Amino acid sequence: AQKITQTQPGMFVQEKEAVTLDCTYDTSDPSYGLFWYKQPSSGEMIFLIYQGSYDQQNATEGRYSLNFQKARKSANLVISASQLGDSAMYFCAMRELIGDSGAGSYQLTFGKGTKLSVIP
Amino acid sequence: NAGVTQTPKFQVLKTGQSMTLQCAQDMNHNSMYWYRQDPGMGLRLIYYSASEGTTDKGEVPNGYNVSRLNKREFSLRLESAAPSQTSVYFCASRLMGDRSYEQYFGPGTRLTVT
Repeated sequence: AQKITQTQPGMFVQEKEAVTLDCTYDTSDPSYGLFWYKQPSSGEMIFLIYQGSYDQQNATEGRYSLNFQKARKSANLVISASQLGDSAMYFCAMRELIGDSGAGSYQLTFGKGTKLSVIP
Repeated sequence: NAGVTQTPKFQVLKTGQSMTLQCAQDMNHNSMYWYRQDPGMGLRLIYYSASEGTTDKGEVPNGYNVSRLNKREFSLRLESAAPSQTSVYFCASRLMGDRSYEQYFGPGTRLTVT
């Protein structure tokens, strides 16, 4: 079963407008976290924002905010005031405990991504 | 700080050839990871090393082996490359106990197997 679902393969947004990228997740672990990464055409993975399952407030980092709705199991990324440089693939990922829980090691499980194109 | 470095950046192999992808980090991180990214997909975990001296399988380990050479270095070996292993390979590292849980990624190695 898919653990991270991104239902929008591609999105377009006008420059300076806000855009929301959807992400839903599935886990039975009470302690988890959600990430958003940006992958520009150059290929590197750039960390944008993180939300822990016990965090009381929605995470924000500059123009990025995470709309965390725990009951709905959704963690949507909101980008305000889009810029041309925001054109990229965006991946939602969830951290999960792996291996011996005592080792405290985590893996990231990724969605398939959303390609965002910002139109001038 | 260079962060996470990977070599080579690009590689073309013939079916059946072997090669080792190198990864090093200079952030004193405990945990290191190897992921692969196929076209149109997110990253999938191949192997990980929670700490120096330990390695474990991830979601897609078949056809790969790893070595945690020391705290800095974590290599991925393809013993007999297959076209299905054509992918972009990312190494990542993380500081255990870091409450941000962020994994820092290398620039990737683009591998083509013909």
